[in-house]
Amino acid sequence: NAGVTQTPKFRILKIGQSMTLQCAQDMNHNYMYWYRQDPGMGLKLIYYSVGAGITDKGEVPNGYNVSRSTTEDFPLRLELAAPSQTSVYFCASTSPQGTGSYGYTFGSGTRLTVV
Amino acid sequence: GQQVMQIPQYQHVQEGEDFTTYCNSSTTLSNIQWYKQRPGGHPVFLIQLVKSGEVKKQKRLTFQFGEAKKNSSLHITATQTTDVGTYFCAGPKAAGNKLTFGGGTRVLVKP
Repeated sequence: NAGVTQTPKFRILKIGQSMTLQCAQDMNHNYMYWYRQDPGMGLKLIYYSVGAGITDKGEVPNGYNVSRSTTEDFPLRLELAAPSQTSVYFCASTSPQGTGSYGYTFGSGTRLTVV
Repeated sequence: GQQVMQIPQYQHVQEGEDFTTYCNSSTTLSNIQWYKQRPGGHPVFLIQLVKSGEVKKQKRLTFQFGEAKKNSSLHITATQTTDVGTYFCAGPKAAGNKLTFGGGTRVLVKP
């Protein structure tokens, strides 16, 4: 199993550009999440999804959008990139309570720099 | 809103020594999870504690959940260079199993 796969691994964007960070999981997890991690800091929740067609905002959703058309994929869209969005972005997934381990499986991250 | 705090922020440890890192929540938690992130890597799930006062061990790592389910600790014995990294605790918010992460304890080991 590949687990959670994120692409690209690195990206440099110019201010005002847009991009989509891809996230795919092959564990049939219903719950998926996007977090950002600024240098030396903890993780902050951007958006999450509890199943296909269902998404909701986390702590820091401004400047981002998501969609969940399938169980496997949960892309994160950045519109009009700003320097404040320079960060490492992690996608994670887990299975609902009562079906086994409740811990998150994280992808390897996308390191984004906005200049 | 729910806050999760960890102390210390940094822990410099001599190889072979023991240390403890602490996690405190502003609200009672249904469970608490611990993750390890190696430098340049991604967080990796270590363990979940559910019961009040629960203690679990993984080799040299001992995890404890407080009686009031508002705090937790991670104790590492005989620290090794492989223990280098940042250890995060995280507590779930209600719906969707959304985790609130603490700021992490960054562990540096002196050989």
